Amino acid sequence: NAGVTQTPKFRVLKTGQSMTLLCAQDMNHEYMYWYRQDPGMGLRLIHYSVGEGTTAKGEVPDGYNVSRLKKQNFLLGLESAAPSQTSVYFCASSYSAPTRAEQFFGPGTRLTVL
Amino acid sequence: DAKTTQPTSMDCAEGRAANLPCNHSTISGNEYVYWYRQIHSQGPQYIIHGLKNNETNEMASLIITEDRKSSTLILPHATLRDTAVYYCIVRGSNDYKLSFGAGTTVTVRA
Repeated sequence: NAGVTQTPKFRVLKTGQSMTLLCAQDMNHEYMYWYRQDPGMGLRLIHYSVGEGTTAKGEVPDGYNVSRLKKQNFLLGLESAAPSQTSVYFCASSYSAPTRAEQFFGPGTRLTVL
Repeated sequence: DAKTTQPTSMDCAEGRAANLPCNHSTISGNEYVYWYRQIHSQGPQYIIHGLKNNETNEMASLIITEDRKSSTLILPHATLRDTAVYYCIVRGSNDYKLSFGAGTTVTVRA
């Protein structure tokens, strides 16, 4: 079991460029999440998905879009990157049962926008 | 609107138990207490969670007070690899997000 994997691990963009971050999980989890973590701060939820074909906004969704075409994959897109989006991005997944809702996190993607 | 309060930092001697406190005085009846940790530059790692009973797993024990207003995470034999930021999170059964505060920076010293 690879768990939760993220691609790429590092990326540098120029302002205005676009990119897609890929998250994959092999645990058959229904729920998937994208968080961002700025230096010295806790994680903040960007978007999440409660199942294939569904997405919803989290705390800080502006500037990002997501898609969940397959149950095992959750994509995070930046259409026009801004320096304020420089951050570490973490993907997570979990079962849907309230008593088994622990989230499993990927290793993160470090994004720098110049 | 912080739901939990944790000390900013604490030190622990290697091989000793580490007791990490967390206050959650406004917790409601259907909210769970979760603990995660984040070792430098890695993704957060789930440790343990509980509703009202004490819980134990291979990583740690969770002691929740009877009034549920506070809890303590116990790492029974701390090692240098346990140096991390530990987050105490209160989460409703239908909450999708985890609200990570500042956490407690735990440093295990040889």
